[in-house]
Amino acid sequence: DAGITQSPRHKVTETGTPVTLRCHQTENHRYMYWYRQDPGHGLRLIHYSYGVKDTDKGEVSDGYSVSRSKTEDFLLTLESATSSQTSVYFCAISFSGTYNEQFFGPGTRLTVL
Amino acid sequence: QQQVKQSPQSLIVQKGGISIINCAYENTAFDYFPWYQQFPGKGPALLIAIRPDVSEKKEGRFTISFNKSAKQFSLHIMDSQPGDSATYFCAATYQTGANNLFFGTGTRLTVIP
Repeated sequence: DAGITQSPRHKVTETGTPVTLRCHQTENHRYMYWYRQDPGHGLRLIHYSYGVKDTDKGEVSDGYSVSRSKTEDFLLTLESATSSQTSVYFCAISFSGTYNEQFFGPGTRLTVL
Repeated sequence: QQQVKQSPQSLIVQKGGISIINCAYENTAFDYFPWYQQFPGKGPALLIAIRPDVSEKKEGRFTISFNKSAKQFSLHIMDSQPGDSATYFCAATYQTGANNLFFGTGTRLTVIP
């Protein structure tokens, strides 16, 4: 998985609790992305980062926040988890921007009860 | 609103046959069209990609056909093999620097021996 790890790999939590997912890369790639994958929707971009402390919203960012304090780590936080955020979350990295291959991590399966 | 529409949702093909997956888009600003392959429990991986200045790109048994006027593109898998059984996603992006990918909803391909 191209030097990308995600933790935890599986998590079950309850509605209203905060959740943080971690993406760690060893490739020193500049761009990092968080996607969610849901049946019937494919993958949808939540947030992305183009450098340390530089982040921006994707198409489904409501209810999520991100932080990137180091090149290698990109955190996704659900401030108050809801059942609609039950999904598989993928982190991806890209050496540079446009037209460059995105390498995906193994995913985190999150269930919000 | 799904920016990239993909069909069929599932596909069953005999070994040795041709698998065809179709995608359509509306945003004429899109100028890069990758296909990703995903095996169960894994993250997606880039399979092949095309720019709209060419009508076809071939890599081994995989070919992308692109019709700019119709805003459609398709993936052809020749001599399909059981090892090709996976979910395939088309995607599109445009030159923003951040390489935000807009994915189709996916096609689950099953190749029967």
